[in-house]
Order: sequence, then structure tokens, then C-alpha cells
Amino acid sequence: QSALTQPASVSGSPGQSITIFCTGTSSDVGSSNLVSWYQQLPGKVPKLMIYEGNKRPSGVSNRFSGSKSGNTASLTISGLQAEDEADYYCYSYGGSSTSWVFGGGTKLTVL
Amino acid sequence: QLQLQESGPGLVKPSETLSLTCTVSGGSISISSYYWGWVRQPPGKGLEWIGSIHYGGSTSYNPSLKSRVTISVDTSRNQFSLKLSSVTAADTAVYYCARQLKYYDILTGSYIPYYFDSWGQGTVVTVSS
Repeated sequence: QSALTQPASVSGSPGQSITIFCTGTSSDVGSSNLVSWYQQLPGKVPKLMIYEGNKRPSGVSNRFSGSKSGNTASLTISGLQAEDEADYYCYSYGGSSTSWVFGGGTKLTVL
Repeated sequence: QLQLQESGPGLVKPSETLSLTCTVSGGSISISSYYWGWVRQPPGKGLEWIGSIHYGGSTSYNPSLKSRVTISVDTSRNQFSLKLSSVTAADTAVYYCARQLKYYDILTGSYIPYYFDSWGQGTVVTVSS
């Protein structure tokens, strides 16, 4: 079972927008809309930011949005703020044989 | 407000069995809409789903760990537990318990655990002699 592929790091300046990509296969990301995204602040517990590809839980800023194209899901953060600096993980269903898999994680640095 | 709390030994010897319990408070573990799962994070590394259980007993495990993992539920105590056998140093990690929404998979005609919406604080487990 391979982890989904995410860039190790991305960066952006305050106010800018960044996108984190999560690449899988037709068996996981490409097979359904069951992708979720988690934010993990330094030393903290992961927090759900996006589910079902593009839905935000109550309380999550609308600066966070999700989408998918083919076998790649993406998380976009607009209007970057210093408090967004964290690790971000995608999570997808891989079907009955592989079940669930996380991406390797992306470290976001706000310059 | 739902709270989850992991408990168990922080140090386990190689080849032994790691045992952790997650106590759920502020809500019942016996709600049909949810699964209850375990996730781990080795030092400086990413997240790994271990497995999940529904209060009715249905389980789902990470194929790479399935031969060593057992997850069980005790509804009378509002707890669920993880056992990981034959541990090695590679099993050293922060172990999180979490609640997951239940989702109906049309392709298989079965319910599956989905996203994590509430997490415990995590507990550090070190495998060392």
C-alpha cells in the first residue's frame, strides 16, 4: 500500500494563494470523491479541513478549498496567513483491497 | 463535547505486544453513524491509518499491518482498544485514536469508515529493550 504523493514542501507569502497537490491512482483518488485533508500545526493534533473533496467542516475558514481532477486532488489556501503554517495531509479511500491511505504530507511555510 | 483519550504503556519491548485503549467521553461509542479508528505517526514522519472498528464489531485494517493488528470495542466502558503484536523499533510512534464518519460504499454494498472528525491528543509509544 503506497502513500499518496504530495510535495514535501510549499511556500508562499502572506496574502498569496497556494495549492497542494495529492496524486494517487485510478484505484484511490481517481475512483471516488472520498478525499479529505488535514492540517497539523507544529506539535498539535491533526485537524479536518476538507472532506468529500470540497466540503468544509463548520468552523473552517472559507480560505480553504478542495478539488479533484482525475487521479489528483488539491487543497488551495487563499489569502495565506502566518497561522496557516503547518503540515497538510491528504487521505483517500483505496478501495476494498487497500482501504485507506494518507499522503506523505506537505510542509507549508509562510514566508 | 466529545473527547477521546488514549492510554497505555509508553514503552514496549521488541517482539512484545503493544496495547492501547481509547476512552470516549461526552458521547456514546454506540452510535451507528461512526467508526472509531487508530492512526500513528512515527517521529518526524507522516500519518498512517492503522485500522477502524464500528461498535457493532465490524473492523477494517491497513493491509500492511493486518497480520499484527487487532482492534476491539467495549461498549459498556465506552472504549475501544488496539493491540499490535511482534513490535519492532519501526512501530515507535505517536498513536492517535479518532472518530470517523461511516460511509456507504455503493461498489461493495458495505459501510466503511471515512474521514476523521475528532481526535485524541495522542500517546507516545517507544519500542525499545
